[in-house]
Amino acid sequence: EIVLTQSPGTLSLSPGERATLSCRASQSVSSSYLAWYQQKPGQAPRLLIYGASSRATGIPDRFSGSGSGTDFTLTISRLEPEDFAVYYCQQYGSSLTFGPGTKVDIK
Amino acid sequence: QVQLQESGPGLVKPSETLSLTCAVSGYSISSGYYWGWIRQPPGKGLEWIGSIYHSGSTYYNPSLKSRVTISVDTSKNQFSLKLSSVTAADTAVYYCASRLWIAAPNDYWGQGTLVTVSS
Repeated sequence: EIVLTQSPGTLSLSPGERATLSCRASQSVSSSYLAWYQQKPGQAPRLLIYGASSRATGIPDRFSGSGSGTDFTLTISRLEPEDFAVYYCQQYGSSLTFGPGTKVDIK
Repeated sequence: QVQLQESGPGLVKPSETLSLTCAVSGYSISSGYYWGWIRQPPGKGLEWIGSIYHSGSTYYNPSLKSRVTISVDTSKNQFSLKLSSVTAADTAVYYCASRLWIAAPNDYWGQGTLVTVSS
């Protein structure tokens, strides 16, 4: 099973700042089958990024993904008030596993 | 637009079987897609439970495989989850979700339903 770790656990930032979230896999993720989700309290996760760097339908371009192999990054270029949430990475190339999440909260 | 809606008991006794159904609208299950279940214990992260294709092929999380059954009913356009021998550790919000093929992310999600395991 591919284990995903995310860092940091919590990221405290102000609106307008840049957020950089990391996801590391215990072994290489095939074909960059890596996705990012945003989850707000009481809501289901929402798909943001798939294939490591492709934005899902309707996702603003301030969200971008990069990386390959075992190291992946989600970047939010300028935080909007609605971006404060928990973010999960997921690999779907070998079975399906999620990282533990990174909470982005308001500083 | 695919829409998913979970239903089932919100309270299950320890050692019993948890049963949930996900009704699909806006898309015919028979047309394709993989349909699955993901859970989230209160205040914790996400755990994939398993997936099923409309043909009936199933894929389960190895850690839950011995207790999980996922089935599909194309006539009712819905799919179901059964988790046997539940304990308090199975208390979670259960989401149904879809993905386009076996190596694809989960693009559509239900709103989730909380199931509590308690006597």
